[in-house]
Amino acid sequence: QSVLTQPPSVSAAPGQKVTISCSGTSSNIDHNYISWYQYFPGSAPKLLIYGNDKRPSGIPDRFSGSKSGTSATLVITGLQTGDEAHYFCGTWSSDLTVGGVFGGGTQLTVL
Amino acid sequence: EEQLVESGGGLIQPGGSLRLSCAASGFLVSSEYMIWVRQPPGKRLEWVATMYSVSGSTKYADSVKGRFTFFRDNPKNSVILQMNSLRVEDSAVYHCARAKWFNPHWSFDLWGRGTLVTVSS
Repeated sequence: QSVLTQPPSVSAAPGQKVTISCSGTSSNIDHNYISWYQYFPGSAPKLLIYGNDKRPSGIPDRFSGSKSGTSATLVITGLQTGDEAHYFCGTWSSDLTVGGVFGGGTQLTVL
Repeated sequence: EEQLVESGGGLIQPGGSLRLSCAASGFLVSSEYMIWVRQPPGKRLEWVATMYSVSGSTKYADSVKGRFTFFRDNPKNSVILQMNSLRVEDSAVYHCARAKWFNPHWSFDLWGRGTLVTVSS
C-alpha cells in the first residue's frame, strides 16, 4: 500500500517557524486532500488542517497547510513550547470504506 | 464538550478475544460515521474499520476481516470493536475517531486517546 513519508523529526527555537513535509505519490496525495493532526502521546490526536489548507474552528492561524503535486507541507509559525508534539498527515478519498493512508509522523522539538 | 474515550485494551494471548469500547459524549454515535484505526509499535496509523451512521453497516480492512466486528451500543452511546482470533500483529494502540465529510473529502475531527492491545504469549 502506498504511504505518506514524513521526516522523523524537526526542531526549531521558540518564536521561529518550522515546516513539516508529507510526500506521497500520484495515487494518494495528487488527487486527494491532506489533513494534518497533532498528537501528544497518551492524548487524543487533534485535527489541525483539513482540505490541504483549512483550519477547523479553534485552531490558531499559526498553523497553516499547503499542497503542491504529490507533496504537502504543514507550517507552524511563532513556535511555542506547547507545540512540541508529534504531527502526522493523512489522506482519505471520497470513499470512506476504501481506507486511506497516514504518514509516519514527525516529532517536533521546540529547543 | 465532545469526547471519545476508549477502554478494554490489555494483554491477551494469541487466539484470544478482546472487546474494545469507545464511549462518546457531546454527540450521538448513531448520527455519525465512526472508524477504528490502530498504530502498531513503531509503525504508522492504519485503518481498521468503518461504520456508517444511518445504516450501521460496516467495512473492514482485509487484515481484520472475519475476525473483528464493529457494532454500536446506542443506549450507551458507544461503539464497540469485538476482536477475535487475535494475532501478535494485532498489537497496537487502538483509537476510535469520528469521520467528517469536508466536501469533497473525509477527515477525522474527533479522536479518542486510544487503548493499548498487546497480543503475546
